[in-house]
Amino acid sequence: GQQVMQIPQYQHVQEGEDFTTYCNSSTTLSNIQWYKQRPGGHPVFLIQLVKSGEVKKQKRLTFQFGEAKKNSSLHITATQTTDVGTYFCAGPFRGGYQKVTFGIGTKLQVIP
Amino acid sequence: DVKVTQSSRYLVKRTGEKVFLECVQDMDHENMFWYRQDPGLGLRLIYFSYDVKMKEKGDIPEGYSVSREKKERFSLILESASTNQTSMYLCASSFQGRVSPLHFGNGTRLTVT
Repeated sequence: GQQVMQIPQYQHVQEGEDFTTYCNSSTTLSNIQWYKQRPGGHPVFLIQLVKSGEVKKQKRLTFQFGEAKKNSSLHITATQTTDVGTYFCAGPFRGGYQKVTFGIGTKLQVIP
Repeated sequence: DVKVTQSSRYLVKRTGEKVFLECVQDMDHENMFWYRQDPGLGLRLIYFSYDVKMKEKGDIPEGYSVSREKKERFSLILESASTNQTSMYLCASSFQGRVSPLHFGNGTRLTVT
């Protein structure tokens, strides 16, 4: 079936280092969403990308959507302890935009 | 603010019991979803619904059924609970259309003994 693959599964960084998580789909995505789940919490929507090659920024977070709309990335510059959590990408698929499927997530640990 | 409320935070049931997990949203969202979350497996879609009485299977529907009799309420039913259904269950809702984020409830941690 349709899958959204996400790497890495875990990442430990020193506070102040950068962090990137990658999301790849086996099929073209109509759009892609990113979520953050704090420890003990539920996923919270961060952003949605719709256009091919789109780049969006939220303070230290940069989100990119690939030209072929099959991959995406989230980059955090100069991580802080508040960035700790699991980051998920999620993709509705062309023709099935109601069915939102999540990647496995990247669990980020920030060492102070 | 959107509110998605799941009826229980923690639930302990015995093998073979029928289990109902309830979810209510207050934003008039058309779409509602049930996911389960397990370590190392991320969020897996069980069922979703895009309208009252409408339902679609997700990626792991086996052993589950759902009910959507009213727009604001989406129920997940485990007809005969088994130990491999021990998990965190998350309900979510959204408006229809491509540009619509999911809003999640706080989750129900179900333990089947």
